[in-house]
Formats: sequence, C-alpha cells, structure tokens
Amino acid sequence: KAGVTQTPRYLIKTRGQQVTLSCSPISGHRSVSWYQQTPGQGLQFLFEYFSETQRNKGNFPGRFSGRQFSNSRSEMNVSTLELGDSALYLCASSGGLAGARTDTQYFGPGTRLTVL
Amino acid sequence: KQEVTQIPAALSVPEGENLVLNCSFTDSAIYNLQWFRQDPGKGLTSLLLIQSSQREQTSGRLNASLDKSSGRSTLYIAASQPGDSATYLCAVRLGETGTASKLTFGTGTRLQVTL
Repeated sequence: KAGVTQTPRYLIKTRGQQVTLSCSPISGHRSVSWYQQTPGQGLQFLFEYFSETQRNKGNFPGRFSGRQFSNSRSEMNVSTLELGDSALYLCASSGGLAGARTDTQYFGPGTRLTVL
Repeated sequence: KQEVTQIPAALSVPEGENLVLNCSFTDSAIYNLQWFRQDPGKGLTSLLLIQSSQREQTSGRLNASLDKSSGRSTLYIAASQPGDSATYLCAVRLGETGTASKLTFGTGTRLQVTL
C-alpha cells in the first residue's frame, strides 16, 4: 500500500507570495492533518480535515488555510508569505471507516518551504 | 494546555548498548501516545502507538511503556545499531475527535549510535 505523498518536496518563494501544498493520504484514510516543523518551535499542529470538513484547527493566523477533496486529498495554502513561514510542512493521514479506532498517524516526507 | 517534554535532548551511545528515551506530559488524561523517528530532513516514521488503556507495546528491539498517572512514557531500544541514529519524538493525543484529536509533540531526542 502506497504511503502518504506530498508535492512538491521543495519550494522557494519570496515574501508576499502565496503557496499551495498538496497531500495524498494512504488509500482508504479519511483524515488528513497538517503540521509545521521549525527548529525553534518544533512540530505544531495546523489543522485536520475529515471527509472534506475541517474538524480541528491550531493556533495559526488566517493566512494559513486548507481544504480536502472528495478523494481525501488535501491542500494547504499560505497567503502573503513571511520569512517566518519557512519550515518543513508535514501531512499525516489516519482513520478508515467512521468510528473505527485506527489511530496511528502516518506521515508523508514533507514539503520544505523556503521564503526569501 | 498539554506540554510534552523529552529528556535528554541529545544522546550518543556506542553500538550494542541498550538505551532509554524519556517522554513526560502534563495532562495525564491522554487518549494515546505515539513514538516516531525522524531522519534528517525527512518525514516522521511511526514506531509504536500505545492506547491509554495499555501499559506497553513492543516491536522488534523497541519497547514503549506508558504510565498515565505519572505522565510518563519511555522508549527502550535494545542492542542499538548505527541505523538507529535519528531524532525520536513522542506525541500525545487527548481525544478521538474534535479539538482534542490533534497530536502534541515533544521536542525530541537526537540519538547517535557510534561504531
């Protein structure tokens, strides 16, 4: 079974631009979560989507947004990029049928975003 | 607010040694705890998941224990190998759905196993 895939793997943008990152979960998984990893703050939760609905959100400004499609693929968007947005963005998938306790989160390789 | 701490921050051991990594959390009402490893510049690989009702989980040379009442988990690595060199992260989850379902990560322990 293929793992979680993220595209692109590396991205360089300049301040003020916007960026869209993509995540394809493991087949059959319905939950996708996004995390930001930086040397200073470690891993921080951004948001979680389940069946196309955002059901959990971390403490990030409104410039960070996301969505999930009917095939469970998810995208996150960051508008008006700042230098501090440079980070490794990780997505994780989990869960199968609603109510099933498949709690293990499987992470993708991440997208390394550099803002200049 | 749940806080997760990992000690030590870095550890260097010779090959073959058994070692223990520590994880502590402030809110003992957790749903589950998961251990991950992360290689430099890469994503996270899930190692073990312990449900709140369990005391330990084992996979190969790895054994993770959970003591909810004291807010602690340990990851035991037996007969360490150079390939075990990585950063080890623990993460706790407070609930199954809603705002409690997010993972809160520790700061990690960077392990180096030398020849």
